[in-house]
Amino acid sequence: AQSVTQLDSQVPVFEEAPVELRCNYSSSVSVYLFWYVQYPNQGLQLLLKYLSGSTLVKGINGFEAEFNKSQTSFHLRKPSVHISDTAEYFCAVSRSNDYKLSFGAGTTVTVRA
Amino acid sequence: SQTIHQWPATLVQPVGSPLSLECTVEGTSNPNLYWYRQAAGRGLQLLFYSVGIGQISSEVPQNLSASRPQDRQFILSSKKLLLSDSGFYLCAWKTGTDTQYFGPGTRLTVL
Repeated sequence: AQSVTQLDSQVPVFEEAPVELRCNYSSSVSVYLFWYVQYPNQGLQLLLKYLSGSTLVKGINGFEAEFNKSQTSFHLRKPSVHISDTAEYFCAVSRSNDYKLSFGAGTTVTVRA
Repeated sequence: SQTIHQWPATLVQPVGSPLSLECTVEGTSNPNLYWYRQAAGRGLQLLFYSVGIGQISSEVPQNLSASRPQDRQFILSSKKLLLSDSGFYLCAWKTGTDTQYFGPGTRLTVL
């Protein structure tokens, strides 16, 4: 079975500064990788996903992530954050053609002026 | 386009009372459907998933049950709520092989 580790539970960052959220996974087979964002009292919204092809994936709201197979990582980055990026971010993994997702514990990003 | 609805948005129930949360999906056919729970300070826990009408798989033993009476309807139920059932309940759908899409959630408080 696959598992996901998000290495930071909380990330405080100043407005217009860059941010990186770290995600490592373990799986013995090929996987799909996802980042979701959750704003307070809302459902999860897909930010971006890696299925195959280019290892650099661009998503919504200026986020991007890089798939590194040798390091089994899928870190999320944004070069300049806004106050509105304050939210919880979840990394998730599934095996190809699997019904289920495995989620990390989440990283809370707090952007301060 | 596809949309997913959950209701109610918030619910406050006494311990020992029954529960029924509903999730419906529009704009797609034969989706996989999922129920998750987020408890305070914890991540997402998959409770149930369904690949078709009447087909329910339970991920963890608990005080809850799920049913899928129609293709795009997924219901989460309990006969008697416990304090530990409090949390944020999320429904999700998927077609094809990759992405799950989530509903807006239901905040359940059991007192």
